[in-house]
Amino acid sequence: DQQVKQNSPSLSVQEGRISILNCDYTNSMFDYFLWYKKYPAEGPTFLISISSIKDKNEDGRFTVFLNKSAKHLSLHIVPSQPGDSAVYFCAASESGANSKLTFGKGITLSVRP
Amino acid sequence: DGGITQSPKYLFRKEGQNVTLSCEQNLNHDAMYWYRQDPGQGLRLIYYSQIVNDFQKGDIAEGYSVSREKKESFPLTVTSAQKNPTAFYLCASSVRKLGNQPQHFGDGTRLSIL
Repeated sequence: DQQVKQNSPSLSVQEGRISILNCDYTNSMFDYFLWYKKYPAEGPTFLISISSIKDKNEDGRFTVFLNKSAKHLSLHIVPSQPGDSAVYFCAASESGANSKLTFGKGITLSVRP
Repeated sequence: DGGITQSPKYLFRKEGQNVTLSCEQNLNHDAMYWYRQDPGQGLRLIYYSQIVNDFQKGDIAEGYSVSREKKESFPLTVTSAQKNPTAFYLCASSVRKLGNQPQHFGDGTRLSIL
């Protein structure tokens, strides 16, 4: 049972445009969400997170939006740059001492020059 | 520089052999984790440790073993009981094992069967 779903395996956008990466979850107990970026043969790098008490968190070109009622979050990258081309993983967890991160399968973003 | 070091980057194993993957961190993090990534898949948790001399099974612990004798080190042994060990293995750490803490990852070890 996949609790974190990234249904689109890939996305291609033009440099300078907006990239929107989507993520859905099924576990209503999740209250902390993260996005990671991964280049081939490297470990994931933490990008941005959001707590369920917020509906938006912004860090430079990256903004994460959370819609709790729809159990949906999205990562917006504006403007997109060729260096943003990577695999992006959505992850979620429950607060508490024994929680763990549950990852989606990832979305491959390609930014065309 | 603070970070997580995984070694080796590539590892080959013969059938029936155990092999140990190294993970060292100098971030002074309490919690450490091992994940496995297969092509087209997300990261799946193998084992995690919240403090020295303590560790817990994750979602896919069968065929793996770990130890946590030092805060800085969390080696993973892939035993011969793991029937499909070929994968990309990632080690991570966090300040403490709570849900609202990002995990920081090493660069991974790719294990292949000869």
